[in-house]
Amino acid sequence: GIQVEQSPPDLILQEGANSTLRCNFSDSVNNLQWFHQNPWGQLINLFYIPSGTKQNGRLSATTVATERYSLLYISSSQTTDSGVYFCSNTGKLIFGQGTTLQVKP
Amino acid sequence: DTAVSQTPKYLVTQMGNDKSIKCEQNLGHDTMYWYKQDSKKFLKIMFSYNNKELIINETVPNRFSPKSPDKAHLNLHINSLELGDSAVYFCASSPGALGTAYNEQFFGPGTRLTVL
Repeated sequence: GIQVEQSPPDLILQEGANSTLRCNFSDSVNNLQWFHQNPWGQLINLFYIPSGTKQNGRLSATTVATERYSLLYISSSQTTDSGVYFCSNTGKLIFGQGTTLQVKP
Repeated sequence: DTAVSQTPKYLVTQMGNDKSIKCEQNLGHDTMYWYKQDSKKFLKIMFSYNNKELIINETVPNRFSPKSPDKAHLNLHINSLELGDSAVYFCASSPGALGTAYNEQFFGPGTRLTVL
């Protein structure tokens, strides 16, 4: 069955809008990581966040390991935020299926 | 630059051929990985090595053979290539082993393999 489920699968935003991406785990979370795969295919580390909240510029992430979910917040979205966002339970080497984000100018 | 690097970036070959993809990391990490990303963008672990020792070998055809000459390198050799092997292959590394708090992963740029 699905072990890492991401929602929504697709998201279209107008530039400047905010959004929240979610990652649910059916199993225990052993270290969690968020990635952005840009349109050129590069996988870029966003956050390594086993628990708690971290912020980096317009992006922030929160992981509640006891409730088996993590959230990625994108504020004031820009066209360069477009791409696919993945979460991964790195302790089990399992990726979610991704959220494809398109930010329109 | 400090990074995970892979060569080649693109690989186009005929069915039945044998090919290799090389990966090197200069981050001083102990653990390295190979992932396969299919056409639907799904990322799946193939292999993991810790200090040159194979620790994870997922259900992968034995035509795929990883080799780690030292802990900074993890190469992937594929025999008798098939159409279904077409995908993007990513190498990654992490400071520590699985099960530790130090397995933040860093990915290489990927190798796009096309089998004709």
